Amino acid sequence: GAVVSQHPSRVICKSGTSVKIECRSLDFQATTMFWYRQFPKQSLMLMATSNEGSKATYEQGVEKDKFLINHASLTLSTLTVTSAHPEDSSFYICSAGLVGLPSEQFFGPGTRLTVL
Amino acid sequence: GDSVTQMEGPVTLSEEAFLTINCTYTATGYPSLFWYVQYPGEGLQLLLKATKADDKGSNKGFEATYRKETTSFHLEKGSVQVSDSAVYFCARGQGAQKLVFGQGTRLTINP
Repeated sequence: GAVVSQHPSRVICKSGTSVKIECRSLDFQATTMFWYRQFPKQSLMLMATSNEGSKATYEQGVEKDKFLINHASLTLSTLTVTSAHPEDSSFYICSAGLVGLPSEQFFGPGTRLTVL
Repeated sequence: GDSVTQMEGPVTLSEEAFLTINCTYTATGYPSLFWYVQYPGEGLQLLLKATKADDKGSNKGFEATYRKETTSFHLEKGSVQVSDSAVYFCARGQGAQKLVFGQGTRLTINP
């Protein structure tokens, strides 16, 4: 149980285009989902917390207009990297929290974004 | 603020060696504590957790004990295998649902 999927697993795009990454909870309803960014050989940096049906809460230093997050249903959250640039290349990981399990998060397999 | 400090890597061991990866956390409240493992090219998987002082989390031969007096949650395994090669992250809960991660420790096990 508590499986989280991400799609696509890998994407290569040209500079200036937008890329959408989907995060789905497959066998549970996730009222809260989290988006992380991970640079090579580094820890995870929390970008934003999204709650179903409301606006995402962004961490300090994360541009909300650059990284659009939508959590339209209890099983789906999307991250759109708008007007991507090479410095946006990274590994993006989503996770989902379960009500009643404080702090425990279930992670997706990640999406490797490469912007040319 | 809340933080987690992990033993710096990389750590390289021979198969069947004893493993310890140190982790300490800031003592704000009584957070839940976690160890996550990340295999190459993959997301994080929960390895074990402990939710209160003196709890011991265990899984796949790994153990960690929630030590409130030393604010530590060190990861141990008695006999490591090549398949244990991965990056290990210690984390503490923050607030209702957030996690604060340590910097990660890369572990390589040689046959």
